[in-house]
Amino acid sequence: EDKVVQSPLSLVVHEGDTVTLNCSYEVTNFRSLLWYKQEKKAPTFLFMLTSSGIEKKSGRLSSILDKKELFSILNITATQTGDSAVYLCAVTETSGSRLTFGEGTQLTVNP
Amino acid sequence: KAGVTQTPRYLIKTRGQQVTLSCSPISGHRSVSWYQQTPGQGLQFLFEYFSETQRNKGNFPGRFSGRQFSNSRSEMNVSTLELGDSALYLCASSRDIYEQYFGPGTRLTVT
Repeated sequence: EDKVVQSPLSLVVHEGDTVTLNCSYEVTNFRSLLWYKQEKKAPTFLFMLTSSGIEKKSGRLSSILDKKELFSILNITATQTGDSAVYLCAVTETSGSRLTFGEGTQLTVNP
Repeated sequence: KAGVTQTPRYLIKTRGQQVTLSCSPISGHRSVSWYQQTPGQGLQFLFEYFSETQRNKGNFPGRFSGRQFSNSRSEMNVSTLELGDSALYLCASSRDIYEQYFGPGTRLTVT
């Protein structure tokens, strides 16, 4: 059975801090790893990673995948209060679009 | 481009009743997946449809069923509702193996 583990489960930082969120996975036939941000509504898509070692970047957010060690990290630099949310990591297999999610990391950014 | 839409947004039902939820994917997306989100279990995969065929199914009882129409719109049905079915039901669409985009969800409360 596929498994996704995120750490930490909860994180409280001050505005301007840099944070690193972790995601490790066990998947039989890995195809991709995705990051989502969820506030008090549906998850919004951040990144999809399929190749090892290639960093995806969008503004202050970046992510990288290590397929050998089976993990990914999501970095957020110069955090803002608007970054407060649950960050979800999910993986897909080659058999379809099914997403297997981790528990999520609850990030709180205090002013 | 319009996003994923789900109707209704909120629903209150009584134990034993049945319910049908609807999802319209992003134009051009042929894959539709359904997820259940609860505080205790997180985001759990229900099923995935692609070109009117169920491609993957999660570990939910047979009371949960779905279908997809030729225009890619999808419905999910839950029969004989139980209190534990109270959850946020999310629909996600994608262009097959690409990133999935979520709709706003249907909040189902079973009393």
